[in-house]
Amino acid sequence: DIQMTQSPSTLSASVGDRVTITCRASQSISSWLAWYQQKPGKAPKLLIYKASSLESGVPSRFSGSGSGTEFTLTISSLQPDDFATYYCQQYNSYSLTFGGGTKVEIK
Amino acid sequence: QVQLQESGPGLVKPSETLSLTCAVSGYSISSGYYWGWIRQPPGKGLEWIGSIYHSGSTYYNPSLTSRVTISVDTSKNQISLKLNSVTAADTAVYYCARHSGYCSTTSCHPLVYWGQGTLVTVSS
Repeated sequence: DIQMTQSPSTLSASVGDRVTITCRASQSISSWLAWYQQKPGKAPKLLIYKASSLESGVPSRFSGSGSGTEFTLTISSLQPDDFATYYCQQYNSYSLTFGGGTKVEIK
Repeated sequence: QVQLQESGPGLVKPSETLSLTCAVSGYSISSGYYWGWIRQPPGKGLEWIGSIYHSGSTYYNPSLTSRVTISVDTSKNQISLKLNSVTAADTAVYYCARHSGYCSTTSCHPLVYWGQGTLVTVSS
Protein backbone atom coordinates (compact mmCIF):
# COMPACT_ATOMS: atom_id res chain seq x y z
CA ASP A 1 0.00 0.00 0.00
CA ILE A 2 1.06 3.58 -0.64
CA GLN A 3 1.31 5.48 2.66
CA MET A 4 0.23 9.12 2.83
CA THR A 5 1.65 11.41 5.52
CA GLN A 6 0.17 14.83 6.22
CA SER A 7 1.69 17.68 8.18
CA PRO A 8 0.94 19.35 10.41
CA SER A 9 -1.71 17.29 12.16
CA THR A 10 -3.19 20.45 13.65
CA LEU A 11 -2.87 24.03 12.50
CA SER A 12 -4.02 27.14 14.34
CA ALA A 13 -4.77 30.13 12.15
CA SER A 14 -6.79 33.32 11.94
CA VAL A 15 -9.31 34.52 9.40
CA GLY A 16 -7.41 36.02 6.48
CA ASP A 17 -4.28 33.92 7.00
CA ARG A 18 -2.61 32.03 4.19
CA VAL A 19 -2.56 28.35 5.13
CA THR A 20 -0.48 25.53 3.65
CA ILE A 21 -0.88 21.81 4.33
CA THR A 22 1.64 19.27 3.12
CA CYS A 23 1.06 15.68 2.04
CA ARG A 24 3.84 13.21 1.25
CA ALA A 25 3.47 9.85 -0.48
CA SER A 26 5.67 6.84 0.30
CA GLN A 27 6.31 6.41 -3.43
CA SER A 28 5.67 8.44 -6.54
CA ILE A 29 2.00 8.87 -7.38
CA SER A 30 2.48 11.25 -10.31
CA SER A 31 -0.35 13.77 -9.94
CA TRP A 32 -2.97 11.29 -8.77
CA LEU A 33 -3.82 13.13 -5.58
CA ALA A 34 -7.07 14.52 -4.21
CA TRP A 35 -7.87 16.80 -1.29
CA TYR A 36 -11.04 16.65 0.80
CA GLN A 37 -12.55 18.92 3.44
CA GLN A 38 -14.52 17.42 6.30
CA LYS A 39 -16.55 19.24 8.92
CA PRO A 40 -17.67 17.60 12.19
CA GLY A 41 -20.50 15.14 11.69
CA LYS A 42 -20.42 15.55 7.91
CA ALA A 43 -19.13 13.55 4.99
CA PRO A 44 -15.90 14.62 3.28
CA LYS A 45 -16.18 17.01 0.35
CA LEU A 46 -13.91 16.78 -2.69
CA LEU A 47 -11.96 20.01 -3.18
CA ILE A 48 -9.14 19.21 -5.58
CA TYR A 49 -8.28 16.30 -7.88
CA LYS A 50 -5.27 15.49 -10.00
CA ALA A 51 -3.17 17.48 -7.54
CA SER A 52 -4.21 20.92 -8.78
CA SER A 53 -7.61 20.77 -10.49
CA LEU A 54 -10.36 22.56 -8.59
CA GLU A 55 -13.61 20.64 -8.24
CA SER A 56 -16.66 22.47 -9.57
CA GLY A 57 -18.13 24.93 -7.05
CA VAL A 58 -15.05 25.08 -4.83
CA PRO A 59 -13.86 28.62 -4.06
CA SER A 60 -10.74 29.78 -5.88
CA ARG A 61 -8.95 30.53 -2.60
CA PHE A 62 -8.22 26.78 -2.51
CA SER A 63 -5.35 25.58 -4.63
CA GLY A 64 -3.23 22.49 -4.88
CA SER A 65 0.23 21.81 -6.21
CA GLY A 66 2.90 19.15 -6.40
CA SER A 67 3.70 15.91 -8.15
CA GLY A 68 5.60 12.74 -7.44
CA THR A 69 5.75 12.41 -3.68
CA GLU A 70 5.20 15.91 -2.30
CA PHE A 71 2.00 17.91 -2.48
CA THR A 72 0.49 21.00 -0.89
CA LEU A 73 -2.97 22.39 -0.33
CA THR A 74 -3.07 26.16 0.06
CA ILE A 75 -5.90 28.35 1.28
CA SER A 76 -4.97 31.85 0.20
CA SER A 77 -7.13 33.73 2.70
CA LEU A 78 -8.73 31.62 5.39
CA GLN A 79 -12.48 32.17 5.80
CA PRO A 80 -14.69 31.23 8.77
CA ASP A 81 -16.24 28.40 6.74
CA ASP A 82 -12.79 26.86 6.16
CA PHE A 83 -12.20 25.69 9.73
CA ALA A 84 -12.35 21.94 9.22
CA THR A 85 -10.20 18.86 8.80
CA TYR A 86 -8.46 18.29 5.47
CA TYR A 87 -7.42 14.93 4.02
CA CYS A 88 -5.24 14.07 1.08
CA GLN A 89 -5.90 10.84 -0.82
CA GLN A 90 -3.84 9.09 -3.45
CA TYR A 91 -5.40 7.26 -6.37
CA ASN A 92 -2.30 6.10 -8.18
CA SER A 93 -3.32 2.53 -7.41
CA TYR A 94 -6.72 0.88 -7.12
CA SER A 95 -6.14 0.66 -3.38
CA LEU A 96 -6.99 4.17 -2.28
CA THR A 97 -5.26 5.53 0.82
CA PHE A 98 -5.82 8.71 2.79
CA GLY A 99 -3.52 10.88 4.84
CA GLY A 100 -4.10 11.14 8.57
CA GLY A 101 -5.76 14.54 8.29
CA THR A 102 -4.94 18.13 9.21
CA LYS A 103 -7.29 19.96 11.52
CA VAL A 104 -7.43 23.70 10.87
CA GLU A 105 -8.61 25.43 14.00
CA ILE A 106 -9.21 28.99 15.08
CA LYS A 107 -6.21 30.72 16.62
CA GLN B 1 -28.74 15.58 -8.09
CA VAL B 2 -27.02 12.41 -6.95
CA GLN B 3 -27.95 11.38 -3.42
CA LEU B 4 -26.78 8.40 -1.40
CA GLN B 5 -28.30 7.08 1.81
CA GLU B 6 -26.75 4.40 3.99
CA SER B 7 -28.89 2.17 6.18
CA GLY B 8 -28.46 -0.83 8.43
CA PRO B 9 -28.12 -1.93 12.05
CA GLY B 10 -26.33 0.51 14.31
CA LEU B 11 -25.15 -2.23 16.65
CA VAL B 12 -23.47 -5.50 15.71
CA LYS B 13 -22.10 -8.17 18.05
CA PRO B 14 -18.44 -9.23 17.88
CA SER B 15 -17.76 -12.12 15.47
CA GLU B 16 -20.99 -11.43 13.57
CA THR B 17 -21.50 -9.90 10.12
CA LEU B 18 -22.00 -6.19 9.53
CA SER B 19 -24.46 -5.54 6.70
CA LEU B 20 -25.21 -2.14 5.21
CA THR B 21 -27.12 -0.89 2.19
CA CYS B 22 -26.64 2.30 0.21
CA ALA B 23 -29.67 3.54 -1.73
CA VAL B 24 -28.86 5.81 -4.65
CA SER B 25 -31.24 8.41 -6.06
CA GLY B 26 -30.87 10.94 -8.83
CA TYR B 27 -28.66 8.65 -10.90
CA SER B 28 -28.93 5.13 -12.21
CA ILE B 29 -26.10 2.88 -11.04
CA SER B 30 -26.42 1.06 -14.37
CA SER B 31 -25.38 4.24 -16.20
CA GLY B 32 -21.80 3.96 -14.99
CA TYR B 33 -19.17 5.03 -12.48
CA TYR B 34 -17.78 3.02 -9.63
CA TRP B 35 -19.42 3.12 -6.21
CA GLY B 36 -17.53 2.65 -2.98
CA TRP B 37 -17.58 2.20 0.77
CA ILE B 38 -15.35 4.16 3.13
CA ARG B 39 -15.24 4.09 6.92
CA GLN B 40 -14.05 6.37 9.68
CA PRO B 41 -13.55 5.20 13.29
CA PRO B 42 -14.67 7.79 15.85
CA GLY B 43 -12.13 10.61 16.02
CA LYS B 44 -9.87 9.01 13.41
CA GLY B 45 -9.11 9.18 9.71
CA LEU B 46 -10.68 7.71 6.59
CA GLU B 47 -10.21 4.17 5.29
CA TRP B 48 -11.34 2.99 1.88
CA ILE B 49 -13.06 -0.41 2.07
CA GLY B 50 -13.79 -1.21 -1.55
CA SER B 51 -15.63 -0.23 -4.71
CA ILE B 52 -17.92 -1.83 -7.28
CA TYR B 53 -19.18 -1.27 -10.85
CA HIS B 54 -22.69 -2.10 -12.02
CA SER B 55 -21.26 -5.13 -13.81
CA GLY B 56 -20.17 -6.50 -10.46
CA SER B 57 -16.46 -5.76 -10.92
CA THR B 58 -14.98 -5.07 -7.49
CA TYR B 59 -11.81 -3.74 -5.91
CA TYR B 60 -11.14 -4.25 -2.21
CA ASN B 61 -8.72 -2.83 0.32
CA PRO B 62 -6.05 -5.54 0.62
CA SER B 63 -6.20 -5.32 4.43
CA LEU B 64 -9.92 -6.15 4.44
CA THR B 65 -10.35 -8.33 1.38
CA SER B 66 -10.69 -11.59 3.33
CA ARG B 67 -13.70 -10.26 5.27
CA VAL B 68 -15.47 -7.95 2.80
CA THR B 69 -18.10 -8.45 0.13
CA ILE B 70 -19.57 -5.56 -1.84
CA SER B 71 -22.50 -6.24 -4.15
CA VAL B 72 -24.80 -4.27 -6.42
CA ASP B 73 -28.53 -4.54 -7.09
CA THR B 74 -29.29 -2.48 -10.19
CA SER B 75 -33.04 -3.22 -9.97
CA LYS B 76 -33.13 -1.48 -6.59
CA ASN B 77 -30.41 1.02 -7.53
CA GLN B 78 -28.38 0.19 -4.45
CA ILE B 79 -25.09 -1.25 -3.33
CA SER B 80 -24.43 -3.34 -0.25
CA LEU B 81 -21.57 -4.03 2.12
CA LYS B 82 -20.96 -7.14 4.19
CA LEU B 83 -18.07 -7.32 6.63
CA ASN B 84 -17.77 -10.56 8.55
CA SER B 85 -16.08 -11.56 11.81
CA VAL B 86 -16.28 -8.02 13.15
CA THR B 87 -14.45 -6.78 16.23
CA ALA B 88 -14.50 -3.53 18.17
CA ALA B 89 -11.90 -2.21 15.70
CA ASP B 90 -14.64 -2.20 13.03
CA THR B 91 -16.65 0.39 14.97
CA ALA B 92 -16.89 3.36 12.64
CA VAL B 93 -19.06 5.67 10.59
CA TYR B 94 -19.56 3.92 7.26
CA TYR B 95 -19.99 6.04 4.14
CA CYS B 96 -20.98 5.09 0.63
CA ALA B 97 -19.80 7.30 -2.20
CA ARG B 98 -19.59 7.57 -5.96
CA HIS B 99 -16.30 7.84 -7.77
CA SER B 100 -15.82 10.57 -10.34
CA GLY B 101 -14.76 7.98 -12.88
CA TYR B 102 -13.56 4.43 -13.29
CA CYS B 103 -11.45 2.09 -11.21
CA SER B 104 -8.77 -0.21 -12.66
CA THR B 105 -5.77 -2.10 -11.38
CA THR B 106 -3.71 1.07 -11.78
CA SER B 107 -6.07 3.76 -10.52
CA CYS B 108 -9.43 4.50 -8.94
CA HIS B 109 -10.85 7.99 -9.36
CA PRO B 110 -11.66 10.25 -6.39
CA LEU B 111 -14.97 10.16 -4.53
CA VAL B 112 -17.22 13.00 -5.51
CA TYR B 113 -20.67 12.21 -4.07
CA TRP B 114 -21.01 10.94 -0.50
CA GLY B 115 -23.82 9.72 1.72
CA GLN B 116 -24.25 11.22 5.18
CA GLY B 117 -22.75 8.14 6.83
CA THR B 118 -24.08 5.71 9.40
CA LEU B 119 -22.45 4.80 12.70
CA VAL B 120 -21.99 1.10 13.36
CA THR B 121 -20.87 0.05 16.81
CA VAL B 122 -19.48 -3.42 17.45
CA SER B 123 -20.26 -4.44 21.00
CA SER B 124 -21.82 -7.29 22.91
